[in-house]
Amino acid sequence: EADIYQTPRYLVIGTGKKITLECSQTMGHDKMYWYQQDPGMELHLIHYSYGVNSTEKGDLSSESTVSRIRTEHFPLTLESARPSHTSQYLCASSAPTGLGTDTQYFGPGTRLTVL
Amino acid sequence: QKEVEQDPGPLSVPEGAIVSLNCTYSNSAFQYFMWYRQYSRKGPELLMYTYSSGNKEDGRFTAQVDKSSKYISLFIRDSQPSDSATYLCAMTTDSWGKLQFGAGTQVVVTP
Repeated sequence: EADIYQTPRYLVIGTGKKITLECSQTMGHDKMYWYQQDPGMELHLIHYSYGVNSTEKGDLSSESTVSRIRTEHFPLTLESARPSHTSQYLCASSAPTGLGTDTQYFGPGTRLTVL
Repeated sequence: QKEVEQDPGPLSVPEGAIVSLNCTYSNSAFQYFMWYRQYSRKGPELLMYTYSSGNKEDGRFTAQVDKSSKYISLFIRDSQPSDSATYLCAMTTDSWGKLQFGAGTQVVVTP
């Protein structure tokens, strides 16, 4: 089981502010992910990383950016938050299952509200 | 059309009943199938994963995959109030592990 930590858990900020959502994992997993989840909707992948210095955009277009300078750390940044960014952001990392694919383990999420 | 369809519920059952959940999908290339449980205001927690068709049992949970029908199921036996949560199915085509999720089914188990 992976230990994934996300801070803050809840964040309420005003429009135009720059924010960074923190995600860290202690299992040494190379692959990490950021998802966006709205109520009643499926999780949408917005960023992923294969390892240090590797970042890719996911299926859902997002104005956020990510970095991966250390294996254990995968922060997400919004340069100028808008109300449309209000959502739950979930971080995950993955490990091989032995069945030929990875399985993802999730952090508790950050619920972001932009006023 | 979404790649993965899942009835949002809520599905309300009495304690001790069998909970039956399912997802349908359109991409026949999906080979790996997972079920996650998500409590309110928490991240999803992996319950079970299976490869290709067949059944897998783990305690009170049974996962079934029918690739010919593009249909997967999760059964929870002897349901408990602590099973009240949203259950998400997820699937992927390849070993990379990039997942496609269903929207989740909310389950309420009443004492």
